[in-house]
Amino acid sequence: EAGVTQSPTHLIKTRGQQVTLRCSPISGHTSVYWYQQALGLGLQFLLWYDEGEERNRGNFPPRFSGRQFPNYSSELNVNALELEDSALYLCASSRDRGGLGVTEQFFGPGTRLTVL
Amino acid sequence: RKEVEQDPGPFNVPEGATVAFNCTYSNSASQSFFWYRQDCRKEPKLLMSVYSSGNEDGRFTAQLNRASQYISLLIRDSKLSDSATYLCVVKRNDMRFGAGTRLTVKP
Repeated sequence: EAGVTQSPTHLIKTRGQQVTLRCSPISGHTSVYWYQQALGLGLQFLLWYDEGEERNRGNFPPRFSGRQFPNYSSELNVNALELEDSALYLCASSRDRGGLGVTEQFFGPGTRLTVL
Repeated sequence: RKEVEQDPGPFNVPEGATVAFNCTYSNSASQSFFWYRQDCRKEPKLLMSVYSSGNEDGRFTAQLNRASQYISLLIRDSKLSDSATYLCVVKRNDMRFGAGTRLTVKP
């Protein structure tokens, strides 16, 4: 069974630019979660999508947005990049819809974004 | 106050040692609990779920105290390969991660 995949693996952008990160969940998983992990810090919850809808978002500004497609893959968009956006962006998928069930999340390898 | 708090460490222990990590969470409505392991520059991977009655998986034992909102992970007979960051995870409607506890096991 293929795991969660993310693209690209690495990305270098400059301040003010926009970036789109992509994630494909494990087959059969309907929920996709996005996290930001800055160097030396813990995972910060960004967004949760399930069945094409945004279910919850973390404490991030509106320039962080995303969507989920009918095939359950997802995109994370970050506009007007700032230096502090440099981080590892992790996508995870799970079978359950959150709030119910106890199935775990499976993570992709992440996209490392550097903003110069 | 952070929703999930862990001692960041680092914990530096010799091979064969027993080490324990603690985690506290603030939301009493939390429903599920996990320990994840994250190797340097890699994605987190599930180590074990934590059940109310406590559970064991080989050298790893996890315990949950709902009254105190406290989770623990015990690693016995530490191996070099146990060196990693251990993340405490609490789930209500979504997963909230602690910042992790760094463990280094030395020969």
